[in-house]
Amino acid sequence: AQKITQTQPGMFVQEKEAVTLDCTYDTSDPSYGLFWYKQPSSGEMIFLIYQGSYDQQNATEGRYSLNFQKARKSANLVISASQLGDSAMYFCAMREPSTGGFKTIFGAGTRLFVKA
Amino acid sequence: GAVVSQHPSRVICKSGTSVKIECRSLDFQATTMFWYRQFPKQSLMLMATSNEGSKATYEQGVEKDKFLINHASLTLSTLTVTSAHPEDSSFYICSARTGTGSNSPLHFGNGTRLTVT
Repeated sequence: AQKITQTQPGMFVQEKEAVTLDCTYDTSDPSYGLFWYKQPSSGEMIFLIYQGSYDQQNATEGRYSLNFQKARKSANLVISASQLGDSAMYFCAMREPSTGGFKTIFGAGTRLFVKA
Repeated sequence: GAVVSQHPSRVICKSGTSVKIECRSLDFQATTMFWYRQFPKQSLMLMATSNEGSKATYEQGVEKDKFLINHASLTLSTLTVTSAHPEDSSFYICSARTGTGSNSPLHFGNGTRLTVT
């Protein structure tokens, strides 16, 4: 069963506007971590933001914020004031316990296109 | 900041040959490293967890005899694709954490694009 679901294969946003990328997750463990990564066309993976399952407040990092709704198991990424350089693939990921430690699994990703 | 170096960035090999990919943590020690594979326009799929000084933990469906992982030191893990075939052509990317806290993100290498002809 898919544990990280990103339902938007592609999204368009006008430059300088805000955009929300959706992510829902499934886990039975009370302790987990949620991450968002950006992957430009060059292929590198860039860490953006983290939200812990016990965090009371939504995480923010500059223009990135995470809309964490624990009961609904959603962790949507909000990018404010979009820039042309934000055009990339965005992956939601979850760190969960595994044999011998932890592992991080990724959603299918959302490709964001920022229009000038 | 933490840097993970991966080499080579691109490799083209003939079917039946083996290819070794190196992943190094440059400014921190990594007892655990993670190897992912990414097919075009798809997500990252965890292949295995590389453990320093012990055997790697492979994900279901990943052939351990085909994808050999060696983590001989705290700064180096290698992935060897043995007897490569065209279906092994993919983007392989390694990662590691600098800390053990739950909020410690993965730091990724720049990936290796493998093409098997």
